[in-house]
Amino acid sequence: DVKVTQSSRYLVKRTGEKVFLECVQDMDHENMFWYRQDPGLGLRLIYFSYDVKMKEKGDIPEGYSVSREKKERFSLILESASTNQTSMYLCASSTRTSGRLYEQFFGPGTRLTVL
Amino acid sequence: DQQVKQNSPSLSVQEGRISILNCDYTNSMFDYFLWYKKYPAEGPTFLISISSIKDKNEDGRFTVFLNKSAKHLSLHIVPSQPGDSAVYFCAANIGTNAGKSTFGDGTTLTVKP
Repeated sequence: DVKVTQSSRYLVKRTGEKVFLECVQDMDHENMFWYRQDPGLGLRLIYFSYDVKMKEKGDIPEGYSVSREKKERFSLILESASTNQTSMYLCASSTRTSGRLYEQFFGPGTRLTVL
Repeated sequence: DQQVKQNSPSLSVQEGRISILNCDYTNSMFDYFLWYKKYPAEGPTFLISISSIKDKNEDGRFTVFLNKSAKHLSLHIVPSQPGDSAVYFCAANIGTNAGKSTFGDGTTLTVKP
């Protein structure tokens, strides 16, 4: 059974803290993604990675950075958390080689609250 | 500039009837479209997809229709069941873009028993 796991389901941090969100997939997927989901705004892409050590900005990268040192792991970093980064964060992965192209497998999400 | 739009934030239907969820896009470079379903406190899961070379794809109770000239796609669920109650996201891809998808805002479907 394919799986994407995220390090925390719920997280509460204070303004200015550095926050790490971890994502691990066990499917040997090349592509990994970080989204945030906010009411009425759908899923917005923060960063994605199509290979180890490779990263590309998505639609809303400001205030975030990422790291992909190993194929299975993709980390999202909030350098200095702010209240407007309170959101649901979703990690996903996909492969370029399967028959179902572009299908993304999502983790359960991390609900981050910044106080 | 929102390239994928789901104009109906919510939809309510009776069990056994048809649910039709709509999605419009503006970028003519999109060549692959997907629908995902999301339950509360879970990540989205893939439901059905369609390539731009087709105008219809069917999988059990779910059918996706694509009208390229209108830049419009729709998801039909027949018959609708209470377990279909969820948020549905439409997504679009450009074939050369490393699997990056552009998502719509989502439509919350409620199927009443």
